[in-house]
Amino acid sequence: EADIYQTPRYLVIGTGKKITLECSQTMGHDKMYWYQQDPGMELHLIHYSYGVNSTEKGDLSSESTVSRIRTEHFPLTLESARPSHTSQYLCASSERLEHWETQYFGPGTRLLVL
Amino acid sequence: QQQVKQSPQSLIVQKGGISIINCAYENTAFDYFPWYQQFPGKGPALLIAIRPDVSEKKEGRFTISFNKSAKQFSLHIMDSQPGDSATYFCAASRTSGGYQKVTFGTGTKLQVIP
Repeated sequence: EADIYQTPRYLVIGTGKKITLECSQTMGHDKMYWYQQDPGMELHLIHYSYGVNSTEKGDLSSESTVSRIRTEHFPLTLESARPSHTSQYLCASSERLEHWETQYFGPGTRLLVL
Repeated sequence: QQQVKQSPQSLIVQKGGISIINCAYENTAFDYFPWYQQFPGKGPALLIAIRPDVSEKKEGRFTISFNKSAKQFSLHIMDSQPGDSATYFCAASRTSGGYQKVTFGTGTKLQVIP
């Protein structure tokens, strides 16, 4: 099992609040990712990072922001949560095995915005 | 636009039976096809993966069959067990701008009944 951690696991919060979802990995991986997953749906990439001080937006437009100040830490922030942000957020990191990047996922954070 | 189509959405299989999940893709630039297994409350975990120059890969009870000309690939779970009950995601990956972009299918919820 991969050493990638996410906190909190569940979060219920009111509209307009600022939230930060934490993600950390102890594997020393340079590449990290944030995905959004609605129930019964596929994963959509919202942010990724190649390493410290590198962040890029993914395929799915998101109002969230990310930072990568340390290799092991990749937090996601919503400045003003809205009900439309209700979803599951999955963090992942990857390493190159053979010729391809293999992704390892954290357990996810289920966010409910009231 | 769904680049990786997965079916069925849900599947019920008797213990000891064969579970088959199918995926199809359009983009011929994909060069790596992983399958992920996700249990409730957990993040997806890599199960098995295949390169497009290989027609079949087997790991224990799990087999990927790959048909490059048809742009289809499938997961077969032999001797299905209740512990296999989970959601399975196929994915297709390609390298773009130095970054490996992974596109996920919509997932198949498998239930193996005793």
